[in-house]
Order: sequence, then C-alpha cells, then structure tokens
Amino acid sequence: EVYLVESGGGLVPPGRSLRLSCAASGFIFDVYGLHWVRQVPGKGLEWISGISWDGRSVGYADSVKGRFTISRDNAKKSVFLQMNSLRPEDTALYYCAMISLGEEFFDYWGQGALVTVSS
Amino acid sequence: QSALTQPASVSGSPGQSITVSCTGTSSDVGAYNSVSWYQHHPGKAPKLIIHDVSNRPSGVSDRFSGSKSGNTASLTISGLQAEDEADYFCSSYTTSSTLPYVFGTGTKVTVV
Repeated sequence: EVYLVESGGGLVPPGRSLRLSCAASGFIFDVYGLHWVRQVPGKGLEWISGISWDGRSVGYADSVKGRFTISRDNAKKSVFLQMNSLRPEDTALYYCAMISLGEEFFDYWGQGALVTVSS
Repeated sequence: QSALTQPASVSGSPGQSITVSCTGTSSDVGAYNSVSWYQHHPGKAPKLIIHDVSNRPSGVSDRFSGSKSGNTASLTISGLQAEDEADYFCSSYTTSSTLPYVFGTGTKVTVV
C-alpha cells in the first residue's frame, strides 16, 4: 500500500524558516514526480512546488518563488520543502502528492502537515 | 490563473444521483483532457477517484463517473451512499509553465 507521510510542520514566527519532509513507501519512488500543495484554512488548494523524478526539473508558484526550495532524496524515498522568510499568509495545511511519469494527475496524497506562521 | 469554480455544497438522498460541476477556462479545463477528481474526508489523505476526465482508477466504485464539455467538467455520483459524504475537489493541468496545476474551490457533498 502506498503511503506519503508529511512531517516538520509547526508554529513559527514571521520571517523564520521551516523544513517539511515527506516520507514515501509502498511504491517505486524514483519514477514519480513529487509535489507540494497547500490549503489555507477555509479556502481551496494551491499547487506550490514540484520536482521531477530525477530532481533535475523543479517548479514553483509565484507566491513562494525565491523563498521555498524543493528537493528529493531517492535513496531515502523522501521529498523536502525548505521554507524561508515565512509570512502569515503561508499558514496552511501542506500536502505532498505524487504524479506518475507522463501523467497529469495526483495518484496519491499524504494527510498533510500544518504550518502556522504567527508571532 | 484562478481557482476552478465548484458549488460550495451539493446534497442528495441515498440512492439518488448528484452532479458536481467544475468550471475553468480555455487555459485549463478546456485546454486538455487532464481533469481529475478527488474525494477528501477531513483529516485523511485526499483520494483520486477520476483522472483524465472520465477514467476511474482500479478499486474506485463505478458509481463515480466524470465528463467534460468545453470549460466545464462534471463529477456524477450515482446510487448515493452514506459513505460518499465528503469534500470533493477537481484539478486540471494548465497551459501555464509557472502554475501547471489548478484546483477547484471544493464541494461538500451531504447525504441527507
């Protein structure tokens, strides 16, 4: 069975950093693109970043570009999101999700990690 | 790129059929046959139920079906069951290189 488990969320003051991790199991990790999608409480979902199966291609939404960095470690079956210069509007539930090579839909999702940016 | 528009809530009685719409633009829903639907019980991981407009992953009930016309996609749940009560959201691949995926605003399906 496929599992994606996010960790690293928490309460952080504005301007500080946080690193999210997503550990995967139950599938061949290094043939999937991995993505981070967030949901602000009471609002819809927003794609914020993705990384290709080999880590060579990454993308970011304008809302986080220059502040967030996505990376992956295929040996550890994990994907990471380094979040710097956090703002109150970054407060959200952060999901990691996977996309099969050549597809454009999210096969599996994690349960999410809550990030709260507040003083 | 704005979020895809879904009704906030849809309700139906057990056994009935309901339809959830997902309206986008010619840059997302209308551009590709890459609309997907997800079922989300709060506190759990979202689950893929429809991909590529109308395809069901293995193990997903055939009571779930999808379609698309122009810039609007639709999810139909037939033979509504209590376990179908959940949040549903759509997603579409887009023509934007900086925002390749957009999501719907989400619909709460209630079985009354």
